[in-house]
Amino acid sequence: KAGVTQTPRYLIKTRGQQVTLSCSPISGHRSVSWYQQTPGQGLQFLFEYFSETQRNKGNFPGRFSGRQFSNSRSEMNVSTLELGDSALYLCASSLSGLAGGAYEQYFGPGTRLTVT
Amino acid sequence: AQTVTQSQPEMSVQEAETVTLSCTYDTSESDYYLFWYKQPPSRQMILVIRQEAYKQQNATENRFSVNFQKAAKSFSLKISDSQLGDAAMYFCAYRSVYSGGGADGLTFGKGTHLIIQP
Repeated sequence: KAGVTQTPRYLIKTRGQQVTLSCSPISGHRSVSWYQQTPGQGLQFLFEYFSETQRNKGNFPGRFSGRQFSNSRSEMNVSTLELGDSALYLCASSLSGLAGGAYEQYFGPGTRLTVT
Repeated sequence: AQTVTQSQPEMSVQEAETVTLSCTYDTSESDYYLFWYKQPPSRQMILVIRQEAYKQQNATENRFSVNFQKAAKSFSLKISDSQLGDAAMYFCAYRSVYSGGGADGLTFGKGTHLIIQP
């Protein structure tokens, strides 16, 4: 079974631009979560989608948004990029985030975003 | 909000020896999941082991085992017979079983860099 895939793997953007990152979960997984990893803040939860609905959101500004499609693929968008948005963005999928469901999250290889 | 603390920024162990990585967490919930993830230089996060809070028995996966002390809110990872391929950042993570409302997902510790000496 194929793992979680993320595209693109590397991205360089200029401050003020916007960017869209894509994530395809493991086949059969309906929950997709996004995380930001930086040397200073570590791994921080951005948001989680389940059945095309955002179920949870971390403490990030509204410039960070996402969506999930009917095939469970997800995209996250960052508008008006700032230098501090430079990070590794990780996507993780799981079978279900609901109580009683499986909670293991399986991660993709990440997208390395550099903002100049 | 839950917090996860890994007090060892870096650990070093000789190949074939045993090493224990520490993790403590703070929560007011009674039911939750705990995980250890490994992140090698490739940056791919790999699930090592999981523990359900309602289970008293410590989880084991081949050379990896945990010591889960619920009352002490401690969740350490023991790696036996360390191998060169075990070199990586190790993250302890917490996940609530209650969905919705505020931040959720995995709460990670800052990580422990494990070095394997040949």
